[in-house]
Amino acid sequence: KAGVTQTPRYLIKTRGQQVTLSCSPISGHRSVSWYQQTPGQGLQFLFEYFSETQRNKGNFPGRFSGRQFSNSRSEMNVSTLELGDSALYLCASSLRGSFNQPQHFGDGTRLSIL
Amino acid sequence: AQSVTQLDSQVPVFEEAPVELRCNYSSSVSVYLFWYVQYPNQGLQLLLKYLSGSTLVKGINGFEAEFNKSQTSFHLRKPSVHISDTAEYFCAVSDWSVRSGGSNYKLTFGKGTLLTVNP
Repeated sequence: KAGVTQTPRYLIKTRGQQVTLSCSPISGHRSVSWYQQTPGQGLQFLFEYFSETQRNKGNFPGRFSGRQFSNSRSEMNVSTLELGDSALYLCASSLRGSFNQPQHFGDGTRLSIL
Repeated sequence: AQSVTQLDSQVPVFEEAPVELRCNYSSSVSVYLFWYVQYPNQGLQLLLKYLSGSTLVKGINGFEAEFNKSQTSFHLRKPSVHISDTAEYFCAVSDWSVRSGGSNYKLTFGKGTLLTVNP
């Protein structure tokens, strides 16, 4: 069974640009969550999607947005990039996103802002 | 709001020595507990989970953890580490609350503990 796939693995952007990251969950998983990982802040929850609806959201500005498609694949978009957006962005999937289900993580997209 | 504290940011040990990575969380109401491991340039991999039942949980790669409700702790242990165990370890707590319009599920992570196993 294929794991969670994130593309691309690496991205370099400049300030002010926008970026879209992609995540394909494990087959059959309907919940997709996104996290930002930085050395200073650790792992921070961005948002969760279930059946194409955003079900849960962390404390990030509106520049961070996402969506989920009918096949459960998800995209995350960051507009007007800032230097502080440099981070590893991790996607995780689970069957239904219930709080007693472990999440399965992809290898992440490392975003560098110049 | 739930918080997770991993008391040691770095733990250096020698190969074949025992190790304990400590984790405390803030709320003991309806929580589920997880330990994840992250190797360099990779995502997080589930080591073990506590959902209910026995408070001693066994995971992959010889790791185990003990849930202590009274102390709100979930410490990770391994009796004999290998160099290949060098990685960052994250404790995570999942809790659930009811809010207007529905329920709210959230996974909160600790800051991580870097385990370095030396020969």
